[in-house]
Amino acid sequence: RKEVEQDPGPFNVPEGATVAFNCTYSNSASQSFFWYRQDCRKEPKLLMSVYSSGNEDGRFTAQLNRASQYISLLIRDSKLSDSATYLCVVNELRGYNKLIFGAGTRLAVHP
Amino acid sequence: ETGVTQSPTHLIKTRGQQVTLRCSSQSGHNTVSWYQQALGQGPQFIFQYYREEENGRGNFPPRFSGLQFPNYSSELNVNALELDDSALYLCASSFHGQGKEMIAKNIQYFGAGTRLSVL
Repeated sequence: RKEVEQDPGPFNVPEGATVAFNCTYSNSASQSFFWYRQDCRKEPKLLMSVYSSGNEDGRFTAQLNRASQYISLLIRDSKLSDSATYLCVVNELRGYNKLIFGAGTRLAVHP
Repeated sequence: ETGVTQSPTHLIKTRGQQVTLRCSSQSGHNTVSWYQQALGQGPQFIFQYYREEENGRGNFPPRFSGLQFPNYSSELNVNALELDDSALYLCASSFHGQGKEMIAKNIQYFGAGTRLSVL
């Protein structure tokens, strides 16, 4: 079983759509959670941290359920510029700072 | 921009050769991590350097080695290159705190990567 699992997609949605990405992780001791965004042939960039209370940044909402080891990302009112791969990331912080990435979910927003 | 710089941006090598990749960390950061990203995969943790020592290692063979310098910059060295080493190599810088500070400040910022092709 992979440490972080995501739906590979691709998700093809029209502009203005709402899209949800799901992710599960296997290590219950994981302590920090993130969504990174990666454009084609570029480096991953932090989109947002994910907290148990849920958090929102504009059109983006992230949720964490520690009991079920599940992380989600909701994008409302999709823009063409949201087209990218979204990486679910877990940090176990086991004395050192190691990020464990899912394989990513590709999103394509079309006019 | 993250302030993390990597060089070179692209590199072509042949099997059996050795390669050195370089990374300059963001100002104020003291930790550098290296990741390998194969096509269609998420990045995989290679190792991390803190205080000029390897602080943690992923599932990579000893021919992957590294250094960290007093200014916190870092090198990744790969010996005896294999075809499967072809990938995007990413460097990430962060601040290594202790306890709650580690949790609060553990965000990693990535450089643009070095794309290595092994022929």
